[in-house]
Amino acid sequence: EVQLVESGGGLVQPGGSLRLSCAASGFTFSTHAMDWVRQAPGRGLEWVSEISGSGIYKQYRDSVKGRFTIFRDNAKSSLYLQMNSLWAEDTAIYYCARRQVISTMSNGAFDIWGRGTMVTVSS
Amino acid sequence: EIVLTQSPATLSLSPGERATLSCRVSQSVGTQLAWYQQKPGQAPRLLIDDASKRATGIPARFSGSGSGTDFTLTISSLEVEDFAVYYCQQRNSWPLTFGGGTKVEIK
Repeated sequence: EVQLVESGGGLVQPGGSLRLSCAASGFTFSTHAMDWVRQAPGRGLEWVSEISGSGIYKQYRDSVKGRFTIFRDNAKSSLYLQMNSLWAEDTAIYYCARRQVISTMSNGAFDIWGRGTMVTVSS
Repeated sequence: EIVLTQSPATLSLSPGERATLSCRVSQSVGTQLAWYQQKPGQAPRLLIDDASKRATGIPARFSGSGSGTDFTLTISSLEVEDFAVYYCQQRNSWPLTFGGGTKVEIK
């Protein structure tokens, strides 16, 4: 079964750090770009970051650049998000999501999602 | 940043009725648009990619259309399990962006 399972969320004080993990199974992890998408309580979906299958290429939304780092370990079929200098505005459920492979040069939509891990930034 | 505007914000319909959801995009994305369904307490589920291609296992009552800046998700005859929030998302340029969502509720 194709599956993504996030972990590492919790309560952290403003300015603190957390590392999220996403364990993948049931597919060839290294062939897919992977993303983090978040959802603040009662709000819509917000894309956070993407990493290519090789791990070479990375993209971030402006509000997390310089604070968040996405990385992966293909040998362990795992995706990570290191989050530093957390703000209250980062409070959200963080979802790990797989990009569909359309071709070697193109990725499709998010076809597989984990159940999410909650991050709460509060004093 | 490409902005996606979904309308209406809420759609109140009865089972068996047709639902028509709109997603207007601030600049052309070709057909690089997807639709997702999200139920309370669950992760989003992919319904449609490439504006009109149903994802694996998605019932035929869901259809997508449009290109450029105007897109539509149609549910031909609502089932009870279709009452949920629907999001559109563009993958044409960075940052990837989502619409604000349309809630389809039971009338």
